[in-house]
Amino acid sequence: EVQLVESGGGLIQPGGSLRLSCAASGFTVSSNFMSWVRQAPGKGLEWVSIIYSGGSAYYADSVKGRFTISRDNSKNALYLQLNSLRAEDTAMYYCVRGKSSWGQGTLVTVSS
Amino acid sequence: DIVMTQTPLSLSVTPGQPASISCKSSQSLLHSDGETYLYWYLQKPGQSPQLLIYDVSKRLSGVPDRFSGSGSGTDFTLKISRVEAEDVGVYYCMQNIQLPWTFGQGTTVEIK
Repeated sequence: EVQLVESGGGLIQPGGSLRLSCAASGFTVSSNFMSWVRQAPGKGLEWVSIIYSGGSAYYADSVKGRFTISRDNSKNALYLQLNSLRAEDTAMYYCVRGKSSWGQGTLVTVSS
Repeated sequence: DIVMTQTPLSLSVTPGQPASISCKSSQSLLHSDGETYLYWYLQKPGQSPQLLIYDVSKRLSGVPDRFSGSGSGTDFTLKISRVEAEDVGVYYCMQNIQLPWTFGQGTTVEIK
């Protein structure tokens, strides 16, 4: 059974950094394309970043240069490093395998 | 970026009655490989999104056959033949023919 469990969210001040983790089971992260999608409170879905099996990574313009997606094949995990955080980055962050499997999300709140 | 526009934004349906959601894209979602990359997700209250339909009309395994997708090019429709109480939530269309993946604003379905 495919499972995705996100962690690492929390309350952080503007300008701060966080690293989100997504622990995967039931499949191999490195053999799939994996994404992060976020949802601001009460708002719709916004694609954030993707990493393909070959290692290529892409970002939404809103996070380019501030966020970095990566994976650890030995831990079968996906990560999202969030730097220079802004209030508008406040959202639930979901880890997604392919287009069909979503984790339960981890909440990032950027506030002073 | 491809803009996805859903209508209506909210829908109140009597159980057993049909419902229909429209999704229009600003560019054709027909790929040179012959596939059309239009997906439908349902986000039930308090849950992460779940995939219902992919490639316009293909139901994910386990999705009830009262859900159907249709359309081509830039115009797409999700139909629920007979709405049930468990169908409440927010429905999103999404394109993934090109990055960034983009979502419609979401359509909230409630039961009368």
